[in-house]
Amino acid sequence: GENVEQHPSTLSVQEGDSAVIKCTYSDSASNYFPWYKQELGKRPQLIIDIRSNVGEKKDQRIAVTLNKTAKHFSLHITETQPEDSAVYFCAAKGTGGTSYGKLTFGQGTILTVHP
Amino acid sequence: DAGVTQSPTHLIKTRGQQVTLRCSPKSGHDTVSWYQQALGQGPQFIFQYYEEEERQRGNFPDRFSGHQFPNYSSELNVNALLLGDSALYLCASSLRDRVFYGYTFGSGTRLTVV
Repeated sequence: GENVEQHPSTLSVQEGDSAVIKCTYSDSASNYFPWYKQELGKRPQLIIDIRSNVGEKKDQRIAVTLNKTAKHFSLHITETQPEDSAVYFCAAKGTGGTSYGKLTFGQGTILTVHP
Repeated sequence: DAGVTQSPTHLIKTRGQQVTLRCSPKSGHDTVSWYQQALGQGPQFIFQYYEEEERQRGNFPDRFSGHQFPNYSSELNVNALLLGDSALYLCASSLRDRVFYGYTFGSGTRLTVV
């Protein structure tokens, strides 16, 4: 089945700096890659996603890049703010057989933005 | 527009007991997935229900079972509870045939086994 590895596990930045979180996936048939933000005690919330036929997507201060050949995708947050502090999860969605429609998550990155 | 609702929000059970968790999907969604999230970990896939059938299953023992009703709502049952079953249980709903479509999560049920 699909396996998603996420790095780093913790990331500490100063307000205004950029943050980058990286994920790799194992199933080359995966075709959809969402990113979720989970604040303490709250549900995971979708913040951005990318399809397998797109290399990059941007939404204000957040961007995601995808390298299908390397089976690698990354989340980029620019001009970080203290309210960006949370746990971020990447995920990959399967397309075939027993993986159809199944989202597999990475282990999460705890992002801390210091004022 | 109602999102995903889960009940109860918190639950304390004794080892060996059985528990049932409930989930109502977002309006218009037809697929329900259940995840277990241990403290400090990413959500781990338990299983997914569509058209009242279990479609995919993660690496969880048979003590974990589920059901989906005609109105798309779902239940997660765990028998013979172990201390290690203590976790946040998340329900997520989606549209099965929308390929480029993410899940909407509920707020979860915090299960504590003592």
